[in-house]
Amino acid sequence: QQQVKQSPQSLIVQKGGISIINCAYENTAFDYFPWYQQFPGKGPALLIAIRPDVSEKKEGRFTISFNKSAKQFSLHIMDSQPGDSATYFCAASTMYSGGGADGLTFGKGTHLIIQP
Amino acid sequence: NAGVTQTPKFQVLKTGQSMTLQCAQDMNHEYMSWYRQDPGMGLRLIHYSVGAGITDQGEVPNGYNVSRSTTEDFPLRLLSAAPSQTSVYFCASSAYQGGGTEAFFGQGTRLTVV
Repeated sequence: QQQVKQSPQSLIVQKGGISIINCAYENTAFDYFPWYQQFPGKGPALLIAIRPDVSEKKEGRFTISFNKSAKQFSLHIMDSQPGDSATYFCAASTMYSGGGADGLTFGKGTHLIIQP
Repeated sequence: NAGVTQTPKFQVLKTGQSMTLQCAQDMNHEYMSWYRQDPGMGLRLIHYSVGAGITDQGEVPNGYNVSRSTTEDFPLRLLSAAPSQTSVYFCASSAYQGGGTEAFFGQGTRLTVV
């Protein structure tokens, strides 16, 4: 049973464009939604995260949009750059089952390519 | 600072062999875990620990053992390797339990079982 569904699996965007990755979750107990970025040969690294008490969070060119009623959240990368080419994972956790190292539920990942 | 260090980076095993994947963190984090990453599957939690002497199972624990004798180290043992355990393994740590806590990942161990 996949608790966090991520789409698309792969995405190609032109430099300067907007990259959008979507995730949907099933467990209404989830209350922390991070996005991780992974470059080839490296471990995932936290990019940005949101709690369900806000509908949007922005950090530089990266924005998370959150729709609690639809149980969906998305990552928007504005002015996408070739250096943004990586695999992106959405994830979810609950306050007590672990949002740190003891229990993240990940989506399957999106391989993003930004073409120069 | 080193963060989370995993060794080895690459390993090839024969079916039935045993081995231990090492993980060490120097951030004095209480919480540590092991994930495996397979193509198109994301990361799945194998085992985790909320402190020295305390471990528990994640989503895919079968075929793996863990122990946590110190805060710094959290080794993952494969008792009898199987081809289905071919994967990239990541160790992670975090300071606290619960949402809002950043998990720091190591660089991974790529394991091939032939």
